[in-house]
Amino acid sequence: GNSVTQMEGPVTLSEEAFLTINCTYTATGYPSLFWYVQYPGEGLQLLLKATKADDKGSNKGFEATYRKETTSFHLEKGSVQVSDSAVYFCALSKVYTGNQFYFGTGTSLTVIP
Amino acid sequence: EAGVTQFPSHSVIEKGQTVTLRCDPISGHDNLYWYRRVMGKEIKFLLHFVKESKQDESGMPNNRFLAERTGGTYSTLKVQPAELEDSGVYFCASSRGRGSGNTIYFGEGSWLTVV
Repeated sequence: GNSVTQMEGPVTLSEEAFLTINCTYTATGYPSLFWYVQYPGEGLQLLLKATKADDKGSNKGFEATYRKETTSFHLEKGSVQVSDSAVYFCALSKVYTGNQFYFGTGTSLTVIP
Repeated sequence: EAGVTQFPSHSVIEKGQTVTLRCDPISGHDNLYWYRRVMGKEIKFLLHFVKESKQDESGMPNNRFLAERTGGTYSTLKVQPAELEDSGVYFCASSRGRGSGNTIYFGEGSWLTVV
């Protein structure tokens, strides 16, 4: 079946620290991979995505590379800011499931000044 | 362009009562999805509408949940009677089409607490 496993939190970092949130997936075929972010009091927002192996998604200083050989899509940012405090969700979807998403459990990140 | 809107944003009801959640998708989006996150767990798919038709309802947990999308515009998700385990955040999402090229937009969620 399809599933996503992501690093459990919560994660607390100091401002300007390096961030990695691990995400691995199980899927048949060739899924698209996503990172969504939920800031306090807001809905889920697409942060970045990659639709095929070796693609790198990037946005707002965050990056993630679709690694088929390790079935991973780890989220990284070189220097986090207080405004990055949020819950991050890794997800996959497959065209042939009508864009049904499979999400991880979410990782809560708190960045302290 | 207005985003996906959900109502109510928060609801606290007693076990056995009924709650109806509403979702207004982005105008022109034929695809509408409902998802749920139970506290501390992953966000799980509930069902998918294409216009007014249920395309996939494989994620609906049981027959206490009823989703409708009359006229292919807004959708409602009714829980009757509500149980404690129904507490969580219910997300609605919409997209214009299907396929990896279509962006799916999520609402802010409806937080349901059953006491």
